[in-house]
Amino acid sequence: EAQVTQNPRYLITVTGKKLTVTCSQNMNHEYMSWYRQDPGLGLRQIYYSMNVEVTDKGDVPEGYKVSRKEKRNFPLILESPSPNQTSLYFCASARRGPFEQYFGPGTRLTVT
Amino acid sequence: SQQGEEDPQALSIQEGENATMNCSYKTSINNLQWYRQNSGRGLVHLILIRSNEREKHSGRLRVTLDTSKKSSSLLITASRAADTASYFCATDAPNDYKLSFGAGTTVTVRA
Repeated sequence: EAQVTQNPRYLITVTGKKLTVTCSQNMNHEYMSWYRQDPGLGLRQIYYSMNVEVTDKGDVPEGYKVSRKEKRNFPLILESPSPNQTSLYFCASARRGPFEQYFGPGTRLTVT
Repeated sequence: SQQGEEDPQALSIQEGENATMNCSYKTSINNLQWYRQNSGRGLVHLILIRSNEREKHSGRLRVTLDTSKKSSSLLITASRAADTASYFCATDAPNDYKLSFGAGTTVTVRA
């Protein structure tokens, strides 16, 4: 089954404790992306990757890091999480470019 | 920055009625997409319309695009309870692979 998986699905952590949210897709897609969703703001793009070793900033990259060492995986790293990064995070992938994306189920992160 | 703005923010209709929502954007686009989200779950792609297209259909969905007015509309005909969801437009610009979403329209279909 074609899917995008994210782990963990729920995470409560404390300010400053480094964390990684994993994202994996099994569709051999070139394009992968991370978004955060906050009430009333829709989705905002954090980072995207056009292919292995090619990443670029979205609209809200501050406080986040990504890497794309393999085609299927695109982890999101928060080196020093802060409460304003409390949000619902989505990973997505697409065959080529930001078109007709497949979304993961989301990771709800709370930073206290 | 958010490129798309949906209107209305919320819409409540009776089953069987049509639902129309609009998306306006600020700068030139390459494509405009519509996605659906059910209650905090991952988004599902519905339809993509290119900047040189004016109208597109997919099942009960009809999308129009007016680049002169920088706006798009999504029409859902003969709505069903299962259409209850939030709908988002998303745009990408020429030579740019970022994607900008609007804040969404929440549609409630009453039985």
